[in-house]
Amino acid sequence: QVQLVQSGAEMKKPGASVKVSCKASGYTFTNYLIHWVRQAPGQRLEWMGWISAANGNTKYSQKFQGRVTITRDTSATTAYMELSSLRSEDTAVFYCARASCSGDSCLDNWGQGTLVTVSS
Amino acid sequence: DIQMTQSPSSLSASVGDRVTITCRASQSISSYLNWYQQKSGKAPKLLIFAASILQSGVPSRFSGSGSGTDFTLTISSLQPEDFATYYCQQSYSTLWTFGQGTKVEIK
Repeated sequence: QVQLVQSGAEMKKPGASVKVSCKASGYTFTNYLIHWVRQAPGQRLEWMGWISAANGNTKYSQKFQGRVTITRDTSATTAYMELSSLRSEDTAVFYCARASCSGDSCLDNWGQGTLVTVSS
Repeated sequence: DIQMTQSPSSLSASVGDRVTITCRASQSISSYLNWYQQKSGKAPKLLIFAASILQSGVPSRFSGSGSGTDFTLTISSLQPEDFATYYCQQSYSTLWTFGQGTKVEIK
C-alpha cells in the first residue's frame, strides 16, 4: 500500500533552517508529484509547493518563495522540504502528500506530519 | 491567488442529521475542487475530487456538487466518525489554496 513516512519532530531557534524528509513506498516514486502543506496550530492548511519526482521540477507558493526548497532523491524514494530563516510563526505541522487524480489535481495520500517548533 | 471561503466556519449537528457545507471561490475554478476531512491530530484525508467524484473507500453518504465558483459538500446522514474539520481546496490555479475549514461538532 502507498505510504509516506515523514521524519520526526524538530525544535529550532529563530533564524535557523529545518529540513523535513518524506519517504515514499508502495508505488513508483517517479510517476508522481509530491506536495508540501503547512498547518499552524488551529489554522487552515497552507499549500507550500510541489516537486516532480521524475525530473525535479518545482513550483512554490509566493508566500514561501525564497525561503523554501523542495528536493528529492530518487534512489532513496524520498522528498525533502527545507525552510530557512525560521521565525516563531513557522511553528506548525508540515505534511507531504502525493498528487493524484486527473492532471495531478488532488492529494490522495498524506504523510503523518512533522511538528516543527520554533522558539528561542 | 484564488481565495476559497467556506461557510459556516463551524456547526453543531446530531447523528443522523443531513449536513451541508459550502465553498466559494473568488473566481471560476471549473470543477477543480477537492474536499478533505481532517480529524484532530491526524493528516487530512481525501473525500471528493473534481467537485463530485467520491474517492475510493469513502462512504456514499458523502457527496459533492458544484462548478464555477460555488460548491457544496453534503453528508446525508451524519455518523459519529464524521465529526471532524472539512476543507475545500482548489487546483485550478498552479498556486493551490485551501478554504479556512468547517468544524463539525456534536450537538
